[in-house]
Amino acid sequence: GENVEQHPSTLSVQEGDSAVIKCTYSDSASNYFPWYKQELGKGPQLIIDIRSNVGEKKDQRIAVTLNKTAKHFSLHITETQPEDSAVYFCAAITTSGTYKYIFGTGTRLKVLA
Amino acid sequence: SAVISQKPSRDICQRGTSLTIQCQVDSQVTMMFWYRQQPGQSLTLIATANQGSEATYESGFVIDKFPISRPNLTFSTLTVSNMSPEDSSIYLCSVVRAGETQYFGPGTRLLVL
Repeated sequence: GENVEQHPSTLSVQEGDSAVIKCTYSDSASNYFPWYKQELGKGPQLIIDIRSNVGEKKDQRIAVTLNKTAKHFSLHITETQPEDSAVYFCAAITTSGTYKYIFGTGTRLKVLA
Repeated sequence: SAVISQKPSRDICQRGTSLTIQCQVDSQVTMMFWYRQQPGQSLTLIATANQGSEATYESGFVIDKFPISRPNLTFSTLTVSNMSPEDSSIYLCSVVRAGETQYFGPGTRLLVL
């Protein structure tokens, strides 16, 4: 079946450095790719998303890139801060026909002060 | 976005008992979902809560164990029946209002002794 691979599973960076998390999806019909941040004790929160007709999207220190040919997309966080420490999930969504939402396995990001 | 509340936020239950979790949204939504998230794991879809009809369950989840109600477009309940320690998990409600973006509630943390 369809799946989304996410790497790395854990990531430690020094405060101020950049962090990159990568996801690869299998369903070529996927056309929407959100990223969620989950802090301890909370539900996942949407931080950025990208649609299949766009290659890159940026929101302040966060950016997402999409390569539809290779079926992978990445989250980039620049100038990391301790409050960026959380678990990040990618997802690949197919909206044509049956609505399908497949999550990656998560990346635990730790920003060291 | 959507403002979603869940009750209870956490509970400790004895095995063999049942717990009903409530999910309330601030305005009408098109779709509501229930997820389970085991410690350190990704999100697993339990079922889609359909308004006015039976929920649609994913493979491995059955109505007898996880009965779901959705009486209107802003409210749903998930019951975890005849609980065992393996049911200890975070249970999350999510919604889609328009388009394809899912928004999550804060979660219900369940510990079964």
